[in-house]
Amino acid sequence: EPEVTQTPSHQVTQMGQEVILRCVPISNHLYFYWYRQILGQKVEFLVSFYNNEISEKSEIFDDQFSVERPDGSNFTLKIRSTKLEDSAMYFCASMYGGYGYTFGSGTRLTVV
Amino acid sequence: GQQLNQSPQSMFIQEGEDVSMNCTSSSIFNTWLWYKQDPGEGPVLLIALYKAGELTSNGRLTAQFGITRKDSFLNISASIPSDVGIYFCAGQLVDTDKLIFGTGTRLQVFP
Repeated sequence: EPEVTQTPSHQVTQMGQEVILRCVPISNHLYFYWYRQILGQKVEFLVSFYNNEISEKSEIFDDQFSVERPDGSNFTLKIRSTKLEDSAMYFCASMYGGYGYTFGSGTRLTVV
Repeated sequence: GQQLNQSPQSMFIQEGEDVSMNCTSSSIFNTWLWYKQDPGEGPVLLIALYKAGELTSNGRLTAQFGITRKDSFLNISASIPSDVGIYFCAGQLVDTDKLIFGTGTRLQVFP
């Protein structure tokens, strides 16, 4: 069964450092997403990406965040200067076209 | 912003019992999805519902898309220990493809 793959599974970083979270969506999917889940809370939408541009973003996705699809397979989330409150599980998801909304296993980001 | 109210928050049941959980909202949704999340893992899709009134089964799981498009329920029949986890509903609004997640139902199954 096709999977969304995320790396690394766990990242520890110092406050103020930049981090890049990586995702390989399912190969024929066209829509890409990042969500986050603070420990013990619900999953929250960050950003959606289609046709090489952001199609929607939440209020959480401020100027510190950016996304990129640098080649035909990877989809990255960059946090420019991490804060303690950025500690969370970050999930990448992809979808074909209204169907098959699939999540990766997540990257646990710990900011110290 | 839009909210999904999911209940119950947690359930403690004996193996073999049936389980029911639901999500309601004041907003109208195009799609309802039900996910299960194990600790440290991403949400895994259980059932997807695309039409109002749709009733869909996946093994011991049954879910329905409410006729008003503002609610959905998930039933699990004859629960087993591996059903333990957190169950989330997620809705997709009419004019967007982002998902709004419910607050989750934590299920514990005792032998």
